[in-house]
Amino acid sequence: AQRVTQPEKLLSVFKGAPVELKCNYSYSGSPELFWYVQYSRQRLQLLLRHISRESIKGFTADLNKGETSFHLKKPFAQEEDSAMYYCALLNFGNEKLTFGTGTRLTIIP
Amino acid sequence: GAGVSQSPSNKVTEKGKDVELRCDPISGHTALYWYRQSLGQGLEFLIYFQGNSAPDKSGLPSDRFSAERTGGSVSTLTIQRTQQEDSAVYLCASREGGGTDTQYFGPGTRLTVL
Repeated sequence: AQRVTQPEKLLSVFKGAPVELKCNYSYSGSPELFWYVQYSRQRLQLLLRHISRESIKGFTADLNKGETSFHLKKPFAQEEDSAMYYCALLNFGNEKLTFGTGTRLTIIP
Repeated sequence: GAGVSQSPSNKVTEKGKDVELRCDPISGHTALYWYRQSLGQGLEFLIYFQGNSAPDKSGLPSDRFSAERTGGSVSTLTIQRTQQEDSAVYLCASREGGGTDTQYFGPGTRLTVL
C-alpha cells in the first residue's frame, strides 16, 4: 500500500532562515510526487511536482529514492510562505493521489 | 476561467439525515476526485471519476457514501444517515488529462453533523 508521511505537524522558521519540510513515502512502483499548498482562506493548489524538476516561489524538492524522501526546501523563508503544505504521491495504476497529513509552516517576522 | 466550484459551502445537519454535496469541475476536465479533510487527518481519497465512471471506489468509508457523475461534468456526493464522524471538509478536484496533470481543487464544503 502506498503511504506518505509528513512527520512535522507544525514548523516555525524565522524570516530569512532556510526551510525544510520533510516528506517520506512508501510505494512499490516508480513514484510520482507532488507538493500542494493551502494559504490562509485560499483553496488547495499545486506548488510543484517531481516530474517537472521546477522551482516555484523559490521552493525545490528532490526525489531521493534511496531514502524514499521528497523534502521541500527553500533557502530563505519569506513571510508569505506561511501556509499548510501537503506532500502527495500518485499511484499510476488507479490514478489515486495519496496525501500526507500536512505541515503547517509559520514564518516568524 | 472559472475554477472548480462546490455547493453548499457550509452544511449543518442533524445526525441521521441525508446530505448531498455538489461539485462543478472545470469545463473540459475529464477526471474528477472527491477527498475528505478531517482535523489532523490530512486529505483522505474518497472516489475518482474518469468521465462518468468510477474505476476506484475503494476510498468510500462505508456504504452510506455514494457518488455519481452525469454528463461528464457535475458530480454529487451523497451521505446517507449522517453520523457525527462524517463531519469534515469535503473537497472536489478536477484534472484535464493524464495522472500527472495538475489537480485543481474547489473551495470545499464544510459539513457539520450535530
